[in-house]
Amino acid sequence: DTGVSQDPRHKITKRGQNVTFRCDPISEHNRLYWYRQTLGQGPEFLTYFQNEAQLEKSRLLSDRFSAERPKGSFSTLEIQRTEQGDSAMYLCASTPPEKLVQYFGPGTRLLVL
Amino acid sequence: AQTVTQSQPEMSVQEAETVTLSCTYDTSESDYYLFWYKQPPSRQMILVIRQEAYKQQNATENRFSVNFQKAAKSFSLKISDSQLGDAAMYFCASQTPRAQKLVFGQGTRLTINP
Repeated sequence: DTGVSQDPRHKITKRGQNVTFRCDPISEHNRLYWYRQTLGQGPEFLTYFQNEAQLEKSRLLSDRFSAERPKGSFSTLEIQRTEQGDSAMYLCASTPPEKLVQYFGPGTRLLVL
Repeated sequence: AQTVTQSQPEMSVQEAETVTLSCTYDTSESDYYLFWYKQPPSRQMILVIRQEAYKQQNATENRFSVNFQKAAKSFSLKISDSQLGDAAMYFCASQTPRAQKLVFGQGTRLTINP
């Protein structure tokens, strides 16, 4: 069990560019969550998947954001036309079947210049 | 809708002493779970302790215990025999089986003084 992994760990981009983050959950975890955490705040829910189905999206997830989990394993989160307000830590978490506890990855820290 | 409030932005404690972090929550659901997560500097979030709302007995994990007051919607975390490695941001969170997502408080930064 290698834990939840996220790639990249850090990303610096210019305003207007597109970025994509990847999350690999713990093996056989069927639910996967994305959260956003700004400095000094608690994480805020963005979206979650059960297997490949995206079951809930937060109103924070504007139309510039899209998330996928094509084969029910890894997930990607894409932000198009980044804005400075997108600068944050993006956290991924996963949960095994029939359990509630979420296991978090190390996060991807995004800085939009 | 669920809300979680942590009213202590920062706390400090002497090494080996006991500290209590406060958390209040609000939910309209009868079935829910409460958690305390720890986020050390530049490290990932890890679960400290969890409490099922239907259980009256307070959860305990080694030096960590909770005081769950359901009627008051209060869920405080007590850390006994504080250690330097306990220094971190602590987040209180709630979750319902129906909504699945975690709702976090604003966090409390805990400093351990040697």
